[in-house]
Amino acid sequence: QQQVKQSPQSLIVQKGGIPIINCAYENTAFDYFPWYQQFPGKGPALLIAIRPDVSEKKEGRFTISFNKSAKQFSLHIMDSQPGDSATYFCAASTPSNTGKLIFGQGTTLQVKP
Amino acid sequence: DTGVSQNPRHKITKRGQNVTFRCDPISEHNRLYWYRQTLGQGPEFLTYFQNEAQLEKSRLLSDRFSAERPKGSFSTLEIQRTEQGDSAMYLCASSLGAFTQYFGPGTRLTVL
Repeated sequence: QQQVKQSPQSLIVQKGGIPIINCAYENTAFDYFPWYQQFPGKGPALLIAIRPDVSEKKEGRFTISFNKSAKQFSLHIMDSQPGDSATYFCAASTPSNTGKLIFGQGTTLQVKP
Repeated sequence: DTGVSQNPRHKITKRGQNVTFRCDPISEHNRLYWYRQTLGQGPEFLTYFQNEAQLEKSRLLSDRFSAERPKGSFSTLEIQRTEQGDSAMYLCASSLGAFTQYFGPGTRLTVL
């Protein structure tokens, strides 16, 4: 019940495409859902995060869509660029508790020029 | 640079040796987390401090692992009698409150 399942494992798109990464969770106590971007040899960096009281959030070229009833959320990257090539992780936490993050397995994105 | 720093960045050790990693969080961040990341996987929670108090430890944190955060500032993670299965990236994150966690660059441990 503590798991967060992420798909696909890898993704290749052309420059300008819109990659979509999906995550699903079981624990209804989760109420904070961040996405992190990680480059090789670096720590994860926060991209964007959402709470369950909204169904969509946009920050620049990144959009989170959230479906509370289905317990699913997804990341869309608009107008993807080669510099977006990285590994993306979804996560979930219960801030009212310890706030520890439960991460998905990761999606390796390659954006071809 | 006022981000989270971790030292050393890389550590190679022989099986059975003890190692210690250090994390310096962002100044005034009261929460500090340790995670472990193996190749091709997402980070896994190890332990959590609020100020100097260690409030949660994962079952992944065996008796060979110990973490401290004296005076609620920097933190250390020690692994005693290292095993090859301990080889991983050890990540530290800090936050002010319960939401946004900022990660350090990690310490990559290789146990030979």
